Amino acid sequence: SQTIHQWPATLVQPVGSPLSLECTVEGTSNPNLYWYRQAAGRGLQLLFYSVGIGQISSEVPQNLSASRPQDRQFILSSKKLLLSDSGFYLCAWNRLATNEKLFFGSGTQLSVL
Amino acid sequence: KQEVTQIPAALSVPEGENLVLNCSFTDSAIYNLQWFRQDPGKGLTSLLLIQSSQREQTSGRLNASLDKSSGRSTLYIAASQPGDSATYLCAIQSIKKTSYDKVIFGPGTSLSVIP
Repeated sequence: SQTIHQWPATLVQPVGSPLSLECTVEGTSNPNLYWYRQAAGRGLQLLFYSVGIGQISSEVPQNLSASRPQDRQFILSSKKLLLSDSGFYLCAWNRLATNEKLFFGSGTQLSVL
Repeated sequence: KQEVTQIPAALSVPEGENLVLNCSFTDSAIYNLQWFRQDPGKGLTSLLLIQSSQREQTSGRLNASLDKSSGRSTLYIAASQPGDSATYLCAIQSIKKTSYDKVIFGPGTSLSVIP
């Protein structure tokens, strides 16, 4: 069966520090991968999505970046965090060829202080 | 550009009531529509997926319908229970020409079922 792992679960970082959140998927190949952010009291904002290794689409201008070094690995990064980067970050995957549901990781609660 | 809205933003009902949550989208070129549930501080769980060629899907007490031409979907919850309390989100997977596109979420409806 397929599983998605996302870590860490919580993270407290000072302003200006770097960030690296990792997401891996098991039990499938060539998934579509997504990074979303959910700010307190707000909806899910799509940050990045990827249809294959090295293929990243960015949705909003920001100081975050994403990379997909392997088929089932998706990394969200920042060189210098801002206060406004605080939020709940969610990784997700699906396989469009079989019209499957979107599956989410358990999320990372990031607090930038 | 696809936009997804949900009405109402919040809903409070007594236990046992049947209820309907609404989702609207602006671009009918969709691949599928999904309804999700999110508990506070948790990830999202997919409840139902309706493909663009389908009109409805059912799972237990949940029934979701899709009307592409009018850009609407509804999630019907029968005989609501306190355990149904959560935020419900709808999401659209779009089609861009011949390729698949991103998944866009609505803002969600916060449901409280009062015992």
